[in-house]
Amino acid sequence: QLQLQESGSGLVKPSQTLSLTCSVSGGSISSGGYSWSWIRQTPGKGLEWIGYIYHSGSTSFNPSLKSRVSMSIDGSKNQFSLNLTSVTAADTAVYFCARWGGYWGIDYWGQGTLITVSS
Amino acid sequence: EFVLAQSPGTLSLSPGERATLSCRASQSLTSNYLAWYQQKPGQAPRLLIYAASSRATGIPDRFSGSGSGTDFTLTISRLDPEDFAVYFCQHYGSSPYTFGQGTKLEI
Repeated sequence: QLQLQESGSGLVKPSQTLSLTCSVSGGSISSGGYSWSWIRQTPGKGLEWIGYIYHSGSTSFNPSLKSRVSMSIDGSKNQFSLNLTSVTAADTAVYFCARWGGYWGIDYWGQGTLITVSS
Repeated sequence: EFVLAQSPGTLSLSPGERATLSCRASQSLTSNYLAWYQQKPGQAPRLLIYAASSRATGIPDRFSGSGSGTDFTLTISRLDPEDFAVYFCQHYGSSPYTFGQGTKLEI
């Protein structure tokens, strides 16, 4: 059974960089046919797709966040990561990592981690 | 950008009843790349339906999806107590991939 687990600092200061890592177990992140995604959720805006990365390193980002987002993937550690720069209070959210099977939808999710942006 | 409008915002039903949830897109979705997710408090969303009408692995057959173009429906034929949750639709045909605001299904 594939499992995903987010990790990272739960509190980030305004203007700093939010960094999260997703550790994948029970399967290889280098498997073809899947993208590895970040999605966040707030009470006000609901669910928001941030972006995804393939094992090849190719990426796709939400245009609303593209100027501040970067992602990386490490097949040797079976992990992928998110960096979001210049954060503000509006970036406070629960952040989920997930596996996206393209046509088959987002079939595995991490449990989510609350990230608070505050001084 | 596709905007997905879900209705109703809240649906109050009893176990054993039939639930019909709607998701309307601001533009026609080519290829019917529309998914439905269930989310319970404190949990991640769970994939129920992909490609508008295909059930994900392990999803009971009381869940069904239908629709095309701009109008999509999730139907739960006979509500089980464990089905009371929030349901989201999501389009994934083209970036940015957006979600509806959710329908809360309550007892």
